Formats: sequence, structure tokens, C-alpha cells
Amino acid sequence: QKEVEQNSGPLSVPEGAIASLNCTYSDRGSQSFFWYRQYSGKSPELIMFIYSNGDKEDGRFTAQLNKASQYVSLLIRDSQPSDSATYLCAVKGGNKLVFGAGTILRVKS
Amino acid sequence: GAVVSQHPSRVICKSGTSVKIECRSLDFQATTMFWYRQFPKKSLMLMATSNEGSKATYEQGVEKDKFLINHASLTLSTLTVTSAHPEDSSFYICSARTVDGYTFGSGTRLTVV
Repeated sequence: QKEVEQNSGPLSVPEGAIASLNCTYSDRGSQSFFWYRQYSGKSPELIMFIYSNGDKEDGRFTAQLNKASQYVSLLIRDSQPSDSATYLCAVKGGNKLVFGAGTILRVKS
Repeated sequence: GAVVSQHPSRVICKSGTSVKIECRSLDFQATTMFWYRQFPKKSLMLMATSNEGSKATYEQGVEKDKFLINHASLTLSTLTVTSAHPEDSSFYICSARTVDGYTFGSGTRLTVV
């Protein structure tokens, strides 16, 4: 069983719409959760992290965490073509990050 | 924010030769550096964790004699791919833990011909 699971996509949304990216994890003791964006051929960039149940907002991005359901999501409001990338969910286990396979997002203008 | 500088960004080498990749933390001290490998359209796979002044911890299935990691100072960690073969061609990325999470180097695209 994979430790961090994401739908590989691609997820296609029109420009201006809300993109919803989901991630589930297997280790119930996980405490820290991260969303990274990775453009093709580039290294990951941190979008945001979340530790507590509930929502955390940063600009157009909102991370949602539900530890009981072992579920973390990322909402991108007013999606732009420049948001087209692979979004990686990562869960901190011990001292290291475990990554999901990533979801490809395509924002169509 | 914290920056990790990774060099080279791209390298092509002949089969059987060795390649060294460097990662430097520019404005902070990285006591721990993580080394990842990423194949096309796949996620990041942790290869090893290096700690300053001690031996690296390798993930299961990663050959420690092939992927030599040195973390001699708080600002420099290196990964040497020894006797490289075409199947070692991949995108190698380092990462260090910071107050905001984990920051990544820009990655090294290794092609072994």
C-alpha cells in the first residue's frame, strides 16, 4: 500500500475556475503536510504546509486537512494558465518527507 | 527565504565514469540534507539522508557504494554517482529542512551515455 496517494490526473480546469487537488496518507501519526508545485524539468517549490485540522489560506491557495479521514487537499481559486504544473503532496514521517506521485493540473485559457 | 544551490544543473557523462553533484545551503546551516531521484513522470524517491559529520542513511534498495554521499560541513553536501551507467540517468535533487519546511535545490539532470 502506497503511503501517500494522489490521483495522477491530468485534472483540467478552465481559467478562473477552482482546482481541487486531493491526497490521502496511510500513517495516522503523521503531523505535517506539504503541498509542492513542480514545473516540468524543475525542482519542487513549496506552496504551503499545514499542521492542524481545518483550512489554511494563503492568497489563492487553501489547504484543507482532515486527520480523522487521513485526507489533505489543496484548492486553487481563480486558476491561471501559469498554475499548470504537477502538484505534489508530501507527508512528514520522522525526519523525512514522503511524496505522492503528483497530480498534473492543466488550466485552459 | 532559505536557498539551496545545486550544481551542476545538467551533466552528460560516459558510462563507467563518476559524477559529483554539490548542494550548498547559502544563508543557513543545513545539518541534514536529503537526496532524491526522480524518473520522468514519476514522483521523488528518497535515496538517502546525510547528516553533517556522520555517515549517510540510505533507503532500502539504494546502493551506498554506488551513490557516495559526503556532508563534511554545515553548508555543503555532495552526491557522487560512481561508475555511472545509462540506467542511472535521472533527475537528482537535494533538499534541506528549514523553518518553513523543506527547500529544494534546482536539481541536476544526469544523462549517462
